[in-house]
Formats: sequence, C-alpha cells, structure tokens
Amino acid sequence: GENVEQHPSTLSVQEGDSAVIKCTYSDSASNYFPWYKQELGKGPQLIIDIRSNVGEKKDQRIAVTLNKTAKHFSLHITETQPEDSAVYFCAANSWGGGATNKLIFGTGTLLAVQP
Amino acid sequence: DAGVIQSPRHEVTEMGQEVTLRCKPISGHDYLFWYRQTMMRGLELLIYFNNNVPIDDSGMPEDRFSAKMPNASFSTLKIQPSEPRDSAVYFCASSLSIVDTQYFGPGTRLTVL
Repeated sequence: GENVEQHPSTLSVQEGDSAVIKCTYSDSASNYFPWYKQELGKGPQLIIDIRSNVGEKKDQRIAVTLNKTAKHFSLHITETQPEDSAVYFCAANSWGGGATNKLIFGTGTLLAVQP
Repeated sequence: DAGVIQSPRHEVTEMGQEVTLRCKPISGHDYLFWYRQTMMRGLELLIYFNNNVPIDDSGMPEDRFSAKMPNASFSTLKIQPSEPRDSAVYFCASSLSIVDTQYFGPGTRLTVL
C-alpha cells in the first residue's frame, strides 16, 4: 500500500523567510496530493492541492511542486507570517481493491514562524 | 454552510463504557470519512462511506469499533467497550467526490480513563 514520508518534523523560520516541506510517496498510481494545515484544537483544513497532470500550482504565497518520476512533492510558503504557524500535513491518495480510494497522510511538520 | 459538525467536542469516560461520537456532514457531500489522530500513529482513516454505504473499513482497529450512516446527514462512530488506548481525537470529514477536498470537522477529543 501507499506510504507517505514527510520532512522535516519541525521547522522554525524568521518572519518573512520562506519555508519548504517535502514529502515522498510510494504508490505510482497516486494522482492527488493535497496539503492540509492544522491549527491547535482544530481539524485539518486544505490549503492547496495538486493533481498528477500538473507539475506546479501556486496560490498567493503558497506553492506546491510535484515530481512524479521521483515520487516527491513539496510545499513552499514565501514571506512567512506568524499566522502561518501550525502543523502541516501532506497526503497522497491510494487506490485499493474494488476501486476504493483513500488519503494517506504524512506525519506532519510543525512550522513555527518567529516574529 | 456550517461545515462538518461533530459532537460532543470532548468526552471523558471510564474503561468499559460505551462511547458514541456523532457527525453531520456538509449537505450534498456524498462521502463521509472517520479519522483518528494520535501522537504515535498520526492521522489514520478508520472507515469511509459513499451515499451512506460503508466502502472501506479496513482501518477500523477491532470489533469494538463500529460505524453507521443511517441517512445522508448523520453518522455515528461507536466504541464498545472503550479502552484507555482508544484515547485520541476523532475527526469526521466529508467531500463531494472520492478524489476531492475533504472538509474536516472540529474533532472529538476522547479520553478513556
């Protein structure tokens, strides 16, 4: 089955700097890669996603890149702000028997933006 | 829309008791997911439904766990009997299609003493 690895587990940056979080996956059939942000005491919220027919996607200060050959994808946050501090999860979909499909999540990255 | 609604937000119970967690998905979403989040195991899928029918329950830890979706606007996750190792945050999520944005509820923090 699918295995998603995420690095680093913690990341501390200065306000205004960039932050990069990297994930690798194992299932070559995966075709959907969302990123979620989880603030303390809340459920994860989607911030950006990318599908396998696209190599890069950008939404204001957030961008995601996908390398299907190497089976890795990355989240880039530019001009970080204190409100970006949270836990970020990558995920990849995994097709199972009988056309089942589910998201496999990485272990999370705790991002701390120092003012 | 109010988003995914879960109740209760916090539950403290004693080992051996029955626990029922509730979820109301976003109206019009055909898929409903139950997740469990712990420090040790991260965020793991327990079960998901499509149009009220359970599709994949391979993540349900054991027979003590059961989930139902009697209609499109309500689902329950039941643990009977509960054990201390069931302590976790349980999330419900819903989506329009299987490969699409999943909208998570605020979660239920379960503590089993």
